[in-house]
Amino acid sequence: EPEVTQTPSHQVTQMGQEVILRCVPISNHLYFYWYRQILGQKVEFLVSFYNNEISEKSEIFDDQFSVERPDGSNFTLKIRSTKLEDSAMYFCASSEVWSSYEQYFGPGTRLTVT
Amino acid sequence: DQQVKQNSPSLSVQEGRISILNCDYTNSMFDYFLWYKKYPAEGPTFLISISSIKDKNEDGRFTVFLNKSAKHLSLHIVPSQPGDSAVYFCAAFGNEKLTFGTGTRLTIIP
Repeated sequence: EPEVTQTPSHQVTQMGQEVILRCVPISNHLYFYWYRQILGQKVEFLVSFYNNEISEKSEIFDDQFSVERPDGSNFTLKIRSTKLEDSAMYFCASSEVWSSYEQYFGPGTRLTVT
Repeated sequence: DQQVKQNSPSLSVQEGRISILNCDYTNSMFDYFLWYKKYPAEGPTFLISISSIKDKNEDGRFTVFLNKSAKHLSLHIVPSQPGDSAVYFCAAFGNEKLTFGTGTRLTIIP
C-alpha cells in the first residue's frame, strides 16, 4: 500500500540553525501539506502546496518557514533559524485531489531545538 | 481559537463494549468532519468521515454521528477491540485545510 514517508524520524538542532525536513508523498498525489504538533497540543495546519506554489498557509507559517518541491518526488519544509518553540512533531500529508479531506499522513519528524 | 474541541483526554473501555468518543466544534462552515486514529511513532490515519449534510455514517464497527444543531459529533466503536487502543483525533475540513481537536486516548481493557 502506498504511503507517505518522512526523513529523518528525529532531528536535534541548536537554536538559530537551519533545518530541512523531507517528505516523499504518495506518487500520484499532487497536493501536499505540512502540519505540526507541539507536545501535548493539537495537530496544527502549517501550509498547503500545489503546482509549485503555496495555496494556503497559517499564521504559524511565517518568513522563517519555506516549502519546496525540488524534484518529482520530494517535498521539503525548511526552517531558516530555529527557535526553541519550533520543537514539535512535523507531519507531511498528501492528497490526490484538491480540497480533499482525504489526506494521507506520514509518520512525522520529531524536531528538537536545544 | 478552539474551533474543534475534544473535552475528554482519555477513555477506558472494556473489550467488547461500546466506545463513544465526543467532539464539539464552533464553526458552522466546515464541510466534512473526520476521525483520525494515531498510534505512537506513526502519523494520523484516516478512519471515517461524515459530510456536513448528513447525520450518520457507518463503516463496519465504526459509526460517526453528527448533530449540527448542537455542533457535536461522536464516534461509536462497537464492539471495542484491543487493537482500537490509540489516540483518536476529531478533525474538521474547510477552507482547504484540516482543523484538529486535541485528541482522546482510548484504552481498551482486555
